[in-house]
Amino acid sequence: RKEVEQDPGPFNVPEGATVAFNCTYSNSASQSFFWYRQDCRKEPKLLMSVYSSGNEDGRFTAQLNRASQYISLLIRDSKLSDSATYLCVVNYNTDKLIFGTGTRLQVFP
Amino acid sequence: GAVVSQHPSWVICKSGTSVKIECRSLDFQATTMFWYRQFPKQSLMLMATSNEGSKATYEQGVEKDKFLINHASLTLSTLTVTSAHPEDSSFYICSATSYGFRSYEQYFGPGTRLTVT
Repeated sequence: RKEVEQDPGPFNVPEGATVAFNCTYSNSASQSFFWYRQDCRKEPKLLMSVYSSGNEDGRFTAQLNRASQYISLLIRDSKLSDSATYLCVVNYNTDKLIFGTGTRLQVFP
Repeated sequence: GAVVSQHPSWVICKSGTSVKIECRSLDFQATTMFWYRQFPKQSLMLMATSNEGSKATYEQGVEKDKFLINHASLTLSTLTVTSAHPEDSSFYICSATSYGFRSYEQYFGPGTRLTVT
């Protein structure tokens, strides 16, 4: 079983739609959680950290459920520029980051 | 924010040759650098962790004699792919962190796309 699992997609949604991505992790010792965004042929970039209480940054909302070892990302009012691969990332309180395979989002006009 | 560069951004080489990829931290001292590899439609996989002035720690399954890592200064780490084969063709990305950064805080380079013919 992979340490961090994501639905690879692709998710094809129209502009303005709301879309949600899910992620599960296998190591209950995981301490920190993140969503990264990766554009085609580019490096990953930190989108947001995920806190136990849930957190929001503009159109993006992240949730963490430690009991179920589950993380989610909700994007409201999708823009064309949101088209990318979204990577779920977990840290075990060391330097190492464990990346999921990513979920590809394509927003169409 | 902290900036990390990589050079070259892409390289094509012949099978059996060696290729060196550089990773530089431009505005901070990188006490630790990481090297990742990403195959198409797959996740970033950590290859090795290097601390300045010491030997790199390789992840399980990564051949240290094939992927030579040198972290000789606080701003430069190099990855040399020796005797490259077509299956080494991949996207190689480095990241860097430093004392004083949070443990998970890594800054990524733009990546190097390697094609071995």
